[in-house]
Amino acid sequence: DTGVSQDPRHKITKRGQNVTFRCDPISEHNRLYWYRQTLGQGPEFLTYFQNEAQLEKSRLLSDRFSAERPKGSFSTLEIQRTEQGDSAMYLCASSRGTSGRPGEDTQYFGPGTRLTVL
Amino acid sequence: DAKTTQPNSMESNEEEPVHLPCNHSTISGTDYIHWYRQLPSQGPEYVIHGLTSNVNNRMASLAIAEDRKSSTLILHRATLRDAAVYYCILRLYGGSQGNLIFGKGTKLSVKP
Repeated sequence: DTGVSQDPRHKITKRGQNVTFRCDPISEHNRLYWYRQTLGQGPEFLTYFQNEAQLEKSRLLSDRFSAERPKGSFSTLEIQRTEQGDSAMYLCASSRGTSGRPGEDTQYFGPGTRLTVL
Repeated sequence: DAKTTQPNSMESNEEEPVHLPCNHSTISGTDYIHWYRQLPSQGPEYVIHGLTSNVNNRMASLAIAEDRKSSTLILHRATLRDAAVYYCILRLYGGSQGNLIFGKGTKLSVKP
C-alpha cells in the first residue's frame, strides 16, 4: 500500500493559463474524490468517481473545471483559464466503497497539489 | 448531512490526555460519526469512526453519548505530532452520498 499520490505538489501559473493535476489512488480502491481547500477552511468537495463513472459534481465545479478517470485508475483534474480565486490546495482521496454503505467508508487522502495563480 | 459543532481551538500539554468534543444534536439514527485530522501541510487523515458504542483503535478512542447528540475524541497521551486540525463529520449509513462534508474543525496545539 503506497498511499494516494498527487502530482505536481506545487504549481504556479499565470491567470488565464490551463493547468492539469494528476492523482493516483490506492490500487484496489474503486472510489476517487477531489476536494479543494483554501486557507483556514476545511476541504470542500468537488467531484467523485466510482471506477470510471463520475457520479457526483459540486456546484463549486464550474465549467472551467473538468475531471476524468479514464480507466478507473488514476484521475486528472483540469482547470481552464485559471483565475486568482482558483488558488488553493487541491486534494485527492480514494476509498474502497462499501456497496451503498458510505457510513462505513474510509477515505485516504493524498498530500495535495498547491496551486498559486498570479 | 447533519451539522456538527466543534470548538475552534484547544491546547494541551505533551503526554497528557486530550478530550476533543463534538456536538451533533440533529444526528439521525443512521449517521456514523467520523473523525479525521489534518497535520500542517498534509492531506486529512482518518482517525476513527463509530455508530453507537465507544470505539478504540491504535490512534485514539471515540466516546459517544448515550443519546448520540455529542461525542468526544480522546487522545490518551498527546504528542507534539498530534498537533493538527481535528474534524468531526457525520456520514449517512446508506444512500448514495459519497463525499465528506468538512467544517472548520478544532485546531489542537500541543505544548512541550
